[in-house]
Amino acid sequence: EAGVVQSPRYKIIEKKQPVAFWCNPISGHNTLYWYRQNLGQGPELLIRYENEEAVDDSQLPKDRFSAERLKGVDSTLKIQPAELGDSAVYLCASSLDHGTSGFNEQFFGPGTRLTVL
Amino acid sequence: DAKTTQPPSMDCAEGRAANLPCNHSTISGNEYVYWYRQIHSQGPQYIIHGLKNNETNEMASLIITEDRKSSTLILPHATLRDTAVYYCIVSGQSAAGNKLTFGGGTRVLVKP
Repeated sequence: EAGVVQSPRYKIIEKKQPVAFWCNPISGHNTLYWYRQNLGQGPELLIRYENEEAVDDSQLPKDRFSAERLKGVDSTLKIQPAELGDSAVYLCASSLDHGTSGFNEQFFGPGTRLTVL
Repeated sequence: DAKTTQPPSMDCAEGRAANLPCNHSTISGNEYVYWYRQIHSQGPQYIIHGLKNNETNEMASLIITEDRKSSTLILPHATLRDTAVYYCIVSGQSAAGNKLTFGGGTRVLVKP
């Protein structure tokens, strides 16, 4: 079974330019997460989707970041315009949540490493 | 979610057991202890989780103290491929799914 797919794996841009990251979750997984991981730190949640609805975007910097998950499958995370401090690894994860309390393992993709010059 | 404290790094000899401690003194009754690890250039990977009983799977064992204020992840026979950052996370379970709040983790280096 294919895991979470992310592209591109690496992206180098100049500041003030736009950038977009794409994520294809594991087939059938209804919940999708975007995390940002700064160098030497653990991942931080940016946004969580349940199907096509963003249910937790409290940590998403909404002035420059946006995300969408059309049709509740693939998702795109965009930054416009990028700043130097946005250099990080952007991780996508997915899980199959059954709608009841219980453990839902999150499966992570390899991430996109963004460098803003 | 309760905060966790882990040593920043530790070394382990290949073939020996690796014991990774985690303190979570403010854990509440309905919060679980989760362990994930992140190998270099990969995303985090789930290892194991538990509430109050000790747990074991094919990857590791999780020992939770009786007062639940600390736990230990045990890798019984560490291999070079176990070199990674190990994250101990405390989180409640809810109908909305699990929210994972990662700390700095423990960087484990397995040496030959």
